[in-house]
Amino acid sequence: NAGVTQTPKFQVLKTGQSMTLQCAQDMNHEYMSWYRQDPGMGLRLIHYSVGAGITDQGEVPNGYNVSRSTTEDFPLRLLSAAPSQTSVYFCASSLLGTPYGYTFGSGTRLTVV
Amino acid sequence: GESVGLHLPTLSVQEGDNSIINCAYSNSASDYFIWYKQESGKGPQFIIDIRSNMDKRQGQRVTVLLNKTVKHLSLQIAATQPGDSAVYFCAENPGKLTFGQGTILTVHP
Repeated sequence: NAGVTQTPKFQVLKTGQSMTLQCAQDMNHEYMSWYRQDPGMGLRLIHYSVGAGITDQGEVPNGYNVSRSTTEDFPLRLLSAAPSQTSVYFCASSLLGTPYGYTFGSGTRLTVV
Repeated sequence: GESVGLHLPTLSVQEGDNSIINCAYSNSASDYFIWYKQESGKGPQFIIDIRSNMDKRQGQRVTVLLNKTVKHLSLQIAATQPGDSAVYFCAENPGKLTFGQGTILTVHP
């Protein structure tokens, strides 16, 4: 049981490049989400999904796309990277309605130059 | 808009002291709250949660207090240890968690 696995751990992109941040969980959690964390700030919700085939926008969705073709995977795509997207990205998952909160991955540190 | 925020961005304590971390929330519809601990370079880890029908909940060395009248949440850590040094976040509602800014707790040996 690996929990929530994020890859890569570190990434440097040039402005305008695209890439996909991977997130996988092996706990059969219905709910998955992506957050970004900027210095001195809390985590802000980008996109979330309550099950395969269902996604919705969070607080800061612009510049990001997601899809949920399987229960296990929830990739986050940056369409055209911008310096403002330099951040640490966390993926989280949970059972729907769980009283125990989320399980977070270890994060992906992204720098856009 | 609705938000969850913290009163103090930093807190320094001596090992063995008790620590209190505070959180103010403004969404009166929130009925579930969670405290997370985030160590450097890691993702947030669940510490303790509380539902709005409770005023207090205790865990191992941690206690969460909820005051719905003033929309205030606190996390108490007893006999704080150097390993407790981290950023602590409060969050509301598991459907779409909303996080506060975070409090940096530093424990000095």
